[in-house]
Amino acid sequence: SQQGEEDPQALSIQEGENATMNCSYKTSINNLQWYRQNSGRGLVHLILIRSNEREKHSGRLRVTLDTSKKSSSLLITASRAADTASYFCATDPNDYKLSFGAGTTVTVRA
Amino acid sequence: NAGVTQTPKFQVLKTGQSMTLQCAQDMNHNSMYWYRQDPGMGLRLIYYSASEGTTDKGEVPNGYNVSRLNKREFSLRLESAAPSQTSVYFCASSGGIRTQETQYFGPGTRLLVL
Repeated sequence: SQQGEEDPQALSIQEGENATMNCSYKTSINNLQWYRQNSGRGLVHLILIRSNEREKHSGRLRVTLDTSKKSSSLLITASRAADTASYFCATDPNDYKLSFGAGTTVTVRA
Repeated sequence: NAGVTQTPKFQVLKTGQSMTLQCAQDMNHNSMYWYRQDPGMGLRLIYYSASEGTTDKGEVPNGYNVSRLNKREFSLRLESAAPSQTSVYFCASSGGIRTQETQYFGPGTRLLVL
């Protein structure tokens, strides 16, 4: 069963706007990861945040983690057409297997 | 470095046929994984290999077998393909023996079972 669930399922924004997507999970984790998948391609790792971290930045990406609410958010600032992709959160339930959500599909309009 | 490579890229099978999906990584990673991706389902783990010589079942292992041929290669075999196995298959690898580390994915194999 899927541990993480992303929200919303789909998001359409104008180039230059910010995109925010959320991930909720069910059980305690060691870390949470976000991945991007461009159409027809494999997943690419974006960022990993550990359970003792609350916020992490990487370029135009900002990830937050609230372990008390079992949720994470991914913010993409100043979006570009190249950010059009599906974004997945992945968590690690304590049996050491990564569990992926169904993803958020982001479309950036020119 | 090529990273994670998969062959073939596309395959059409008839029900009951068998095939092997190949995966290789050149990053000297210990762990390798096979996932399937279906619309609206995210990725589901089929099998994984935490280190050379070991394999374990994931979430959806039925109908599949795997072989960790050496540290570089991890193959997935469908002995008797069924339409329910129509999917996109991804191989991934990670450096350590714990699966929750960053994983590196191949480009995928698109399989259609008629």
